[in-house]
Amino acid sequence: DTGVSQDPRHKITKRGQNVTFRCDPISEHNRLYWYRQTLGQGPEFLTYFQNEAQLEKSRLLSDRFSAERPKGSFSTLEIQRTEQGDSAMYLCASSLSGRSKEKLFFGSGTQLSVL
Amino acid sequence: AQRVTQPEKLLSVFKGAPVELKCNYSYSGSPELFWYVQYSRQRLQLLLRHISRESIKGFTADLNKGETSFHLKKPFAQEEDSAMYYCALSKVDRGSTLGRLYFGRGTQLTVWP
Repeated sequence: DTGVSQDPRHKITKRGQNVTFRCDPISEHNRLYWYRQTLGQGPEFLTYFQNEAQLEKSRLLSDRFSAERPKGSFSTLEIQRTEQGDSAMYLCASSLSGRSKEKLFFGSGTQLSVL
Repeated sequence: AQRVTQPEKLLSVFKGAPVELKCNYSYSGSPELFWYVQYSRQRLQLLLRHISRESIKGFTADLNKGETSFHLKKPFAQEEDSAMYYCALSKVDRGSTLGRLYFGRGTQLTVWP
């Protein structure tokens, strides 16, 4: 499968612990996005990278959240001091920039449960 | 502020019946509208976008700026159309990225045999 891959698929953690998720985009894609989806809602934008530069962050991304894309390839999303409200599906997507033709390809997501 | 509304959480039709999934948006600028679909146990994927004016799997959607709507339609539903459908909006502004999407909450379509 040469699509977007995310690891792990599921993560259960206790409140207050730190967690880190990884996303490997499609290899030639220069843009990488993180979205969060809670039950019964559509995905909500968190942040995006163009190559290694983080160009936009949503107000949803509190100080406890940090994302990196160190070499413009894979990305990590870390949540520090997790709270029960952080329980959600975290989706990664990648694309090749080019205004009218840009198309997002989503990964399968990481389901986070904070107990 | 921008907002995407999908008024129906659930929609059921019989095979062969027409189907319309409603989507309304609010945005003061010029939007680009999309429909994304998620089949059972599969990833979220793009179904169609208004700028392409295409028909995918028999689905069409017309952007109505007067009514700020982008309803998804198919004249004859098939069982394999059963899925979760999300309407999404992107701002066509200078410096923005099309991948920065505002999604509706989704409509679960079930097509009965």
